[in-house]
Amino acid sequence: DIVMTQSPDSLAVSLGERATINCKSSQSVLSSSNNNHYLAWYQQKPGQPPKLLIYWASTRDSGVPDRFSGSGSGTDFTLTISSLQAEDVAVYYCHQYYSAPTSFGQGTKVEI
Amino acid sequence: QLQLVQSGAEVKKPGASVKVSCKAPGHTFTKFGFNWVRQAPGQGLEWMGWISGNSGDTNYAQNLQDRVTMTTDTSTGTAYMELRGLRSDDTAMYYCARGQGVRNPSAFGVWGQGTMVTVSS
Repeated sequence: DIVMTQSPDSLAVSLGERATINCKSSQSVLSSSNNNHYLAWYQQKPGQPPKLLIYWASTRDSGVPDRFSGSGSGTDFTLTISSLQAEDVAVYYCHQYYSAPTSFGQGTKVEI
Repeated sequence: QLQLVQSGAEVKKPGASVKVSCKAPGHTFTKFGFNWVRQAPGQGLEWMGWISGNSGDTNYAQNLQDRVTMTTDTSTGTAYMELRGLRSDDTAMYYCARGQGVRNPSAFGVWGQGTMVTVSS
């Protein structure tokens, strides 16, 4: 099974500043058949279900602001919020869907 | 925004069973797989299993496979998750989440609003 580990567990960022969240998988999530990384990022605000932000490691889902970006390769991935807004306060999860059982990171809490 | 609609909150006694439903809008139910994910209070996300909206094939998390059953009703576009032998540590918010296609696994593009299941004597 693939284990996903995020860092840090929490971080405080000033409004307008950059937030960076890291995610490491215990095995590569790169498919050699299509050269895609099977890695997604979700945002969960209090009292709400998670929301898909990024899939294929770097593709923003429809309607996601371009201040959110995903990068990385192999086993190391990053979610960057380029200019933190008040509405970005949430817990963020990485998720590998390369192989079953699918698995999530433990979450990173972003605060102002 | 497109969202899956889940059944309401449940309170159950230890040892009982609970069945949660998840209705998908539209007529594309058989083009997707449906996952169940739970979240204990203040905790992270735990994948429970997947069911194909097309074939009914299932794949369960190893730690739950003896107690969980996932089914679908394609005539109504509804997925179901039944959990038996409830324990206090099953107290959680239960989410259904639609995959981006029929592949298992896939990214979870659409989520239900969640169903709170409380297990208490």
